[in-house]
Amino acid sequence: EVVLTQSPGTLSLSPGERATLSCRASQSVRSSDLAWYQQKPGQAPRLLIYGASNRATGIPDRFSGSGSGTDFILTISRMEPEDSAVYYCQQYDSAPRYTFGQGTKVEIK
Amino acid sequence: QVQLVESGGGLVKPGGSLRLSCAASDFIFSDYYMSWVRQAPGRGLEWISYISSRGDYTGYADSVKGRFTISRDSTKNSLHLQMNSLRAEDTAVYFCARLAVAGRKYFDHWGQGILVTVSS
Repeated sequence: EVVLTQSPGTLSLSPGERATLSCRASQSVRSSDLAWYQQKPGQAPRLLIYGASNRATGIPDRFSGSGSGTDFILTISRMEPEDSAVYYCQQYDSAPRYTFGQGTKVEIK
Repeated sequence: QVQLVESGGGLVKPGGSLRLSCAASDFIFSDYYMSWVRQAPGRGLEWISYISSRGDYTGYADSVKGRFTISRDSTKNSLHLQMNSLRAEDTAVYFCARLAVAGRKYFDHWGQGILVTVSS
């Protein structure tokens, strides 16, 4: 079973700064099998990125995903106050089975 | 606009049972695999079950296998989760989620979630 480890645990940034969130897999993951979600307090998760680098419908272009193999990155190019949230990566395997990382909390200073 | 609305949550004693439902609307329910994902208080997301579009395939996380049963009624556009032998560690918000039609590798729409509390 693939384990996803996200870092850092918490990120505190000022508006306009760049956020770089990491998701590391315990074994190689196909790029097509990696997604990212945003969850704000009291809300359901929202799909941001699928296939490691494809933005979901309606997601602003300041959000981007990259990576391959065991290392994946979610970047927020310029932090906006509404981007304060917890971000999760998720991978799929052919069982099928779905695994989430433990999340990275992003705060606005 | 895709809508998923969960119901049936509440307080139940350890060892008890509960049945969650998810009402789906504004998409062709019978075309999609569906899933349940839960989130314990202050914790991360945990996938627990999926069901195929026709209901002929199901899968479960080890943490709920043998205790939970997922089902669907495509005549009523509804998804269900029968939860038996509940434990304190099953306390969580339970989300109904739609699996993307292409490859079924990620969850493209989520309900708002329903709280299940297992406590004596």
